[in-house]
Amino acid sequence: EPEVTQTPSHQVTQMGQEVILRCVPISNHLYFYWYRQILGQKVEFLVSFYNNEISEKSEIFDDQFSVERPDGSNFTLKIRSTKLEDSAMYFCASGTSGGAAPDTQYFGPGTRLTVL
Amino acid sequence: GDSVTQMEGPVTLSEEAFLTINCTYTATGYPSLFWYVQYPGEGLQLLLKATKADDKGSNKGFEATYRKETTSFHLEKGSVQVSDSAVYFCALSHPSSASKIIFGSGTRLSIRP
Repeated sequence: EPEVTQTPSHQVTQMGQEVILRCVPISNHLYFYWYRQILGQKVEFLVSFYNNEISEKSEIFDDQFSVERPDGSNFTLKIRSTKLEDSAMYFCASGTSGGAAPDTQYFGPGTRLTVL
Repeated sequence: GDSVTQMEGPVTLSEEAFLTINCTYTATGYPSLFWYVQYPGEGLQLLLKATKADDKGSNKGFEATYRKETTSFHLEKGSVQVSDSAVYFCALSHPSSASKIIFGSGTRLSIRP
């Protein structure tokens, strides 16, 4: 069964460094999402992406964050200058339809980002 | 804004016990409600959903009923198995922003053989 994959599973970085989290969505999906979960807190929506554009973003998704679909398979989340509070589990999701009935969002296993 | 509150874990039960994980929500209008499950080392998977009041979602022996009067969507299972050990997330999607899922904080469930 097709699945969303994410790499790396765990990323450790120094404060102020740039990180890129990678996701390979399911191949025929057109809608892509990033969520994050700070340890002990809720899973929070960051951004949705369709047709090479951001379709919705949360207040968390400030200028330090960007997303890109650099080729036909990858979907990346870049954090330009990491802060301690960016430490979290980051989940990628993809879906077949947008304004998506959320049952069409398929989630990856997550990347744990630790900022030191 | 819209939000979801669920009971804190961890919850530890013996095999074949009855399970309830409480979930309440705050939202305007008529959100859709969901339970997601995350097994160890895996991504979030949709377990069940309900899209209108009094709907009952069910899957793999789990059930949850959309109760608008109490703004609740409690997850239940009559007889849990060791394989049900996972983290369970209650969530909602609001029609005004259907691309965004709002999650609760998750409840870790451990089942003892």
